[in-house]
Amino acid sequence: SQTIHQWPATLVQPVGSPLSLECTVEGTSNPNLYWYRQAAGRGLQLLFYSVGIGQISSEVPQNLSASRPQDRQFILSSKKLLLSDSGFYLCAWSVSGRAVGELFFGEGSRLTVL
Amino acid sequence: GENVEQHPSTLSVQEGDSAVIKCTYSDSASNYFPWYKQELGKRPQLIIDIRSNVGEKKDQRIAVTLNKTAKHFSLHITETQPEDSAVYFCAAKGSNYKLTFGKGTLLTVNP
Repeated sequence: SQTIHQWPATLVQPVGSPLSLECTVEGTSNPNLYWYRQAAGRGLQLLFYSVGIGQISSEVPQNLSASRPQDRQFILSSKKLLLSDSGFYLCAWSVSGRAVGELFFGEGSRLTVL
Repeated sequence: GENVEQHPSTLSVQEGDSAVIKCTYSDSASNYFPWYKQELGKRPQLIIDIRSNVGEKKDQRIAVTLNKTAKHFSLHITETQPEDSAVYFCAAKGSNYKLTFGKGTLLTVNP
């Protein structure tokens, strides 16, 4: 069966420090991968999505970047964190291709920038 | 791009009552409409979905209706229970790989 893991689960970082959140999917190949951010415990904002290795689409201009170095690995990064980067970050995957289908979310990473 | 509006933002009901959450979408090409439930501190999980060739779908106490002409869809929960308390998100998927979510509805079921 397919599983998705993301880490770390929680982190507290000072303003200006770097960030790296990692997500891996097991049990499937060539998944579509997504990074969402959830601020203030509510709405899900799509940050990045990827339909293949090295293919990253950015949804909003921001202080973050994403990379997909391997088929089932998706990384969210920042060189210098801002206070506004605080939030709950969720990685997700869906079956490859344009067919409609369910999004499967990781456990989430709660980031607090101080 | 797609824009999804969700109402109400908060909903409080008594146990046993019904709850209805409504969403509208903007992209007429959207063809997939899932609903996710997120309990406090946990990941969102799919509870029901509907595709554009269907007008209604039911799964026990949960039902979703879709009106393509009006571009709106709704979640109906009957005989609510305290464990139904959570944040519910609607979403719409158009002719791309992206799901666009509504801002969520915090449902509280009072015993």
